[in-house]
Amino acid sequence: GQNIDQPTEMTATEGAIVQINCTYQTSGFNGLFWYQQHAGEAPTFLSYNVLDGLEEKGRFSSFLSRSKGYSYLLLKELQMKDSASYLCAVRRYSTLTFGKGTMLLVSP
Amino acid sequence: EAEVAQSPRYKITEKSQAVAFWCDPISGHATLYWYRQILGQGPELLVQFQDESVVDDSQLPKDRFSAERLKGVDSTLKIQPAELGDSAMYLCASSSRTSGYEQYFGPGTRLTVT
Repeated sequence: GQNIDQPTEMTATEGAIVQINCTYQTSGFNGLFWYQQHAGEAPTFLSYNVLDGLEEKGRFSSFLSRSKGYSYLLLKELQMKDSASYLCAVRRYSTLTFGKGTMLLVSP
Repeated sequence: EAEVAQSPRYKITEKSQAVAFWCDPISGHATLYWYRQILGQGPELLVQFQDESVVDDSQLPKDRFSAERLKGVDSTLKIQPAELGDSAMYLCASSSRTSGYEQYFGPGTRLTVT
């Protein structure tokens, strides 16, 4: 089975840096995705990690440690538009299992 | 840029009625997924198709839900009869091996059962 844990909610200030953690216990692992989802909208792709280490893409970075079953999403220079839910999803073959998501609230 | 299409975007129905959702994946994507997302939760996989075949429907409530992808392209998800607890966002996504199984989501159908 799959078990994926993320904090339910986080708050941060515009311009700051925030780290959203995700831990997982899975019966198989082929990669980990991070998606962003604004209220009432569909999830959109942010990052994908297959190997251990840090993947950087603009203001967003994602880290993976397969041995620890751990990933984080790092958001820098926060903007108001970053207020959204961030979903961690573990890939096993062609199937994704999503965590419950972390609601990030960015305040001025 | 190619997108996943879904219709309708919003649906209000009374309990015990039948309701159907349609999804057209990105052209060439062999894998199609239907998810249900309750407010404040992550998407929960209902059914996964590889071409026209069901790969995983272990979480699909088969007494009331059905899904088909007859020609391996577009797909329909049906609920009959609808129950109050079915109120949720129904998301369709597609992926391909060449895209590293990144899933592309449609805009979703927001279902309200009254």
